[in-house]
Amino acid sequence: AQSVTQPDIHITVSEGASLELRCNYSYGATPYLFWYVQSPGQGLQLLLKYFSGDTLVQGIKGFEAEFKRSQSSFNLRKPSVHWSDAAEYFCAVGRISGNTPLVFGKGTRLSVIA
Amino acid sequence: NAGVTQTPKFRVLKTGQSMTLLCAQDMNHEYMYWYRQDPGMGLRLIHYSVGEGTTAKGEVPDGYNVSRLKKQNFLLGLESAAPSQTSVYFCASSRGQGAEEKLFFGSGTQLSVL
Repeated sequence: AQSVTQPDIHITVSEGASLELRCNYSYGATPYLFWYVQSPGQGLQLLLKYFSGDTLVQGIKGFEAEFKRSQSSFNLRKPSVHWSDAAEYFCAVGRISGNTPLVFGKGTRLSVIA
Repeated sequence: NAGVTQTPKFRVLKTGQSMTLLCAQDMNHEYMYWYRQDPGMGLRLIHYSVGEGTTAKGEVPDGYNVSRLKKQNFLLGLESAAPSQTSVYFCASSRGQGAEEKLFFGSGTQLSVL
């Protein structure tokens, strides 16, 4: 069964600094990978997704993520963080076949300081 | 275009009471999901549906029942609420799974069981 690990529970960065949120997955084949963001009091919104092809994917709000098969990772990055990026971020993995829903990581809470 | 609508947004129950959470989507999506979100636990799947008239158990189904009588609606029922069911509940829908598994989330229902 697939699983997702987000090693960092909480990260604090300064506004304007770069950001990298880690995600590691466990799956026997190439999975579908997603990053979702949850602003306070809201539901989750899709940031970006990887299915195949180019391992560097671009998403909304200036985020990008890189799929590294050798490391079973799909880390989320942003070159310059804005205060509005403060939120909780979830990595998720899906299977290519079968009616098996996404499996979510436990999330990383991002705080942004001035 | 409302997307995914959850009602109610807040609810307080006494132990043993029953209630139903309603999720409605207007995107003609086949797949619908109920998750619960607890601090430090991320999102955990309760039940899901792959089409009208179908339901399936997720990771934490005990104490909950669901019904999908109409394609646009997915109901989550608590027959006898327990304090352990205090949580934030999210409904989501998607057009498909795998490559089409972009989830659209509602804004959540905050449930407290006293």
